[in-house]
Amino acid sequence: KAGVTQTPRYLIKTRGQQVTLSCSPISGHRSVSWYQQTPGQGLQFLFEYFSETQRNKGNFPGRFSGRQFSNSRSEMNVSTLELGDSALYLCASSLDGSTIYFGEGSWLTVV
Amino acid sequence: GIQVEQSPPDLILQEGANSTLRCNFSDSVNNLQWFHQNPWGQLINLFYIPSGTKQNGRLSATTVATERYSLLYISSSQTTDSGVYFCAVERKGGGSNYKLTFGKGTLLTVNP
Repeated sequence: KAGVTQTPRYLIKTRGQQVTLSCSPISGHRSVSWYQQTPGQGLQFLFEYFSETQRNKGNFPGRFSGRQFSNSRSEMNVSTLELGDSALYLCASSLDGSTIYFGEGSWLTVV
Repeated sequence: GIQVEQSPPDLILQEGANSTLRCNFSDSVNNLQWFHQNPWGQLINLFYIPSGTKQNGRLSATTVATERYSLLYISSSQTTDSGVYFCAVERKGGGSNYKLTFGKGTLLTVNP
């Protein structure tokens, strides 16, 4: 069965712009979570959604937001981009919280 | 929050050698997973192992929850094993099994 799909894979944005990243979970998985990976901070939890409700949120500013749709697909948005937002953004899905499966990620560069 | 420490930070091996990667965590956990990040950035789940021992081919893992550590064993290493290995945990009582705290990883390089 298809894995976690993230789009776009690569993108370049200018400071001050906003960006929307998309994630389609494995079929049947209702939990979708997002992580940011940077060389300095490593992998950090952003937020987690289950059945369209945000259940957990990491320690990120309000510029980072997300949502989940009724088909479990999720989007995350970063507004007013800063250079420090350049990172690999990873989406993951899980059926029951045991094994978590990650997508290939979206590489965001802010210039 | 919970602290996760991985060691060693870097490891260089010759093909065919064995290795042990360690993950220490600072609090009780109800979820512990090992991941391998390939050169393209994708995290591949290796084991879900909050306690006990599991094996999958040349890889095996052991978690001693009472002593707050986990070990990942790689035997007969191959060049394709190169990459970064992450340990990630969810603190027990943290509210869900879906919020992982990652260690900084072990960068493994296997030379032919």
